Amino acid sequence: DAGVIQSPRHEVTEMGQEVTLRCKPISGHDYLFWYRQTMMRGLELLIYFNNNVPIDDSGMPEDRFSAKMPNASFSTLKIQPSEPRDSAVYFCASSPTGHQPQHFGDGTRLSIL
Amino acid sequence: SQQGEEDPQALSIQEGENATMNCSYKTSINNLQWYRQNSGRGLVHLILIRSNEREKHSGRLRVTLDTSKKSSSLLITASRAADTASYFCATDRAGGTSYGKLTFGQGTILTVHP
Repeated sequence: DAGVIQSPRHEVTEMGQEVTLRCKPISGHDYLFWYRQTMMRGLELLIYFNNNVPIDDSGMPEDRFSAKMPNASFSTLKIQPSEPRDSAVYFCASSPTGHQPQHFGDGTRLSIL
Repeated sequence: SQQGEEDPQALSIQEGENATMNCSYKTSINNLQWYRQNSGRGLVHLILIRSNEREKHSGRLRVTLDTSKKSSSLLITASRAADTASYFCATDRAGGTSYGKLTFGQGTILTVHP
């Protein structure tokens, strides 16, 4: 079975540009999570969805960040406008139910110049 | 304070030795999970222990959970160079509106020298 698929793997862009990160969860998984990982702050949960509905977005840093899940097989995380402090590795994960292990993609390494 | 804090932050051992990592947390939990992250990759789930369990084994991994002390430990026996990675504990908090949400610690960096 294919795991969680994220694209792109690497993104380098200039500040002020719009960045869109994409995620395809494992088929049949009802939960989808977006995380950000940095050396300083570790792994932070940004937002998560259950059956395509956002449940908790309290980790989204500010209005420049938005996430959508238009259907069960696709989600996006958008940053507009991007800033250098947004540089991090962004992970998407999915799980079958809320209390089961999460399956992570290999992340998008984002660099904002 | 952070839920799920690992100790030590870094651990360096020789191949064949055992590695023990500890995790402390602050709230009641449904379960506690351990994950491994190899450099440049996503996290991989290793083992889940429920709040009513005290010990669990999976291959060379042994996890213990002490809910009275709000702590867990991960033991890797007979370590191999391939075990070199970062290890994270994650707590699934009980109650509230956080169903499905995991809180990760800062991780332990394990280096196993051949």
